[in-house]
Parts: sequence; C-alpha cells; structure tokens
Amino acid sequence: RKEVEQDPGPFNVPEGATVAFNCTYSNSASQSFFWYRQDCRKEPKLLMSVYSSGNEDGRFTAQLNRASQYISLLIRDSKLSDSATYLCVVNSPASQLTFGSGTQLTVLP
Amino acid sequence: GAVVSQHPSWVICKSGTSVKIECRSLDFQATTMFWYRQFPKKSLMLMATSNEGSKATYEQGVEKDKFLINHASLTLSTLTVTSAHPEDSSFYICSARWGQGNTEAFFGQGTRLTVV
Repeated sequence: RKEVEQDPGPFNVPEGATVAFNCTYSNSASQSFFWYRQDCRKEPKLLMSVYSSGNEDGRFTAQLNRASQYISLLIRDSKLSDSATYLCVVNSPASQLTFGSGTQLTVLP
Repeated sequence: GAVVSQHPSWVICKSGTSVKIECRSLDFQATTMFWYRQFPKKSLMLMATSNEGSKATYEQGVEKDKFLINHASLTLSTLTVTSAHPEDSSFYICSARWGQGNTEAFFGQGTRLTVV
C-alpha cells in the first residue's frame, strides 16, 4: 500500500461546480498534513495546511479524519483558475514530506 | 511565504557530462532540504533529504554516487547529476524547511534537465 493515496482523477467540472478530493495515508503516526497546488511545469505551492478541527480558506475547505486516516479538500464555486494538479502531502514522524500522486482538476467554461 | 531560489531553471547537457543544481533559501535558514524528481504526469518522488553539515539520506533506489548532494550551509544545498544520461532527463525540484515537525516546506522553481 502506498504511503499516501489520492483519488486518481482527472476531474473535469464546469465552472461554479463543487468538487471534492480525498486522500488516505498509511502511517497513523503522521503529524501534519497539507494540500499543495501544482500548475503545469511549475513547482508545487502550498494551498493550505490541514488542521484536526478542519479549516476553511475562502472557497477551499480542508478536513482531517485521523481515525480513518484520510484528509479531504473541498472546492466550492470552481473557477477556471482552479485548474491544476492538487497534491496531498503528509508529514511523517521522521519529518519527511510524502506526496500523493496528485489529482488533476480541469474547470471547464 | 518564504522564498527558495533554484538555479538553473533549465539546462541541456550532453550525455556523460555533469550538471550542478543550486537551491538557496533566501530569507530563512533551512534546517532541512529535500530533493525531488518529477517525470511527466507523475508525482514528485523524493530522492534525498539533507540536513546542514551532515551527509544526505538517500531514498531506496537513488544512487548516491550519481546524485551528489551537498548541504554546506543553512541557506544552500546543491545537487550534482554526474555522468548524466538521457534517462536522467527530468524535472528536479528542491524544497526547504526550517525546524522539524509541522512546518511547511517551500519549493524552488524547479530545474528542467534534458540530457541529449
């Protein structure tokens, strides 16, 4: 089993739609979690950290379920500019960042 | 957010030559730097983790004699691809973080290496 697994995608959604990505992790001792966004041929950039109580940043909501070992990202009112690959990132106890394979999102006009 | 500068952004080299990639943290001291490789439409794969002043820890399957990593200061790490071959062509990205635990990592712009 991979350390971090994401929805395979790709997701093609119309503008204005709500889309959710899930990510599971195998190491129950993982300490912190992030969602990164990567545009084509660019470096990943932090979208948001994921806190135990869940957190929201504008149209983006991230949630963590430690019991089931998954995190999620919800995007409301999708914009064309949201088209990118979304990477689930888990910080292991050894302080290594492990990336999921990424989920590609295309928002269609 | 913090700034990590990676140089060069792209390089084309002949098979058999060596290429050095630099990664600098510009406004913070990077306790740890990570080097990743990403093939087209694939996820980032961790190659090695380096802590300032100590030897890098390589992931399984990554040849340490081929991918030389130096982390001589808290703001600079270098990756040298020695005797590069066409199969080494890839997107190499560094990231840096300060401290341990829950701190996020900041990424360099990446280096697109093409070996011909």
